[in-house]
Amino acid sequence: GNSVTQMEGPVTLSEEAFLTINCTYTATGYPSLFWYVQYPGEGLQLLLKATKADDKGSNKGFEATYRKETTSFHLEKGSVQVSDSAVYFCALSDSSNTGKLIFGQGTTLQVKP
Amino acid sequence: DTAVSQTPKYLVTQMGNDKSIKCEQNLGHDTMYWYKQDSKKFLKIMFSYNNKELIINETVPNRFSPKSPDKAHLNLHINSLELGDSAVYFCASSRQGDAYNEQFFGPGTRLTVL
Repeated sequence: GNSVTQMEGPVTLSEEAFLTINCTYTATGYPSLFWYVQYPGEGLQLLLKATKADDKGSNKGFEATYRKETTSFHLEKGSVQVSDSAVYFCALSDSSNTGKLIFGQGTTLQVKP
Repeated sequence: DTAVSQTPKYLVTQMGNDKSIKCEQNLGHDTMYWYKQDSKKFLKIMFSYNNKELIINETVPNRFSPKSPDKAHLNLHINSLELGDSAVYFCASSRQGDAYNEQFFGPGTRLTVL
């Protein structure tokens, strides 16, 4: 079945450090890929998405590229801020076209000043 | 204006009770969802409705019954609550239920079963 695997957290970085959160997926067909972010005490918000191979999603300085050959969608940011501290979820929406999202286990990011 | 709202925000109850969580969206979306987030923050879809019609029904105990009176509302009723039902429940909506549309999440309802 379809699945998403993210790197284990928590990830602790100093402000202005480079961030990578790894995400790989298993899916039949051609899924769409998403990164959602959950700030403390809130619901999830879409951070970025990519709907086909080689697409790059970007938002608020975060980027991720849909790599079909490595089945990956790693999240990167060049310089993190304290306000980026949150839980990050990689997700896929499969080709069943029902809107069903399959999430990875989430990666907690803590950025220290 | 809140896009996706849920009530209550916190719910503490005894085992065996029946409780409901309400969700409303004012985005004009056709599709609504219920997700369960466990204590390790793992998120899993439970149900989705498109225009009041059930589309996704994952392997959820039949003690859980969603009800959609209209396309702006999707409520979740839980009978005979068990300890393992303790979790955060998120409602979400999207313009359409397909692979491309962003889902908008509510703030969550933290259910604690004692």
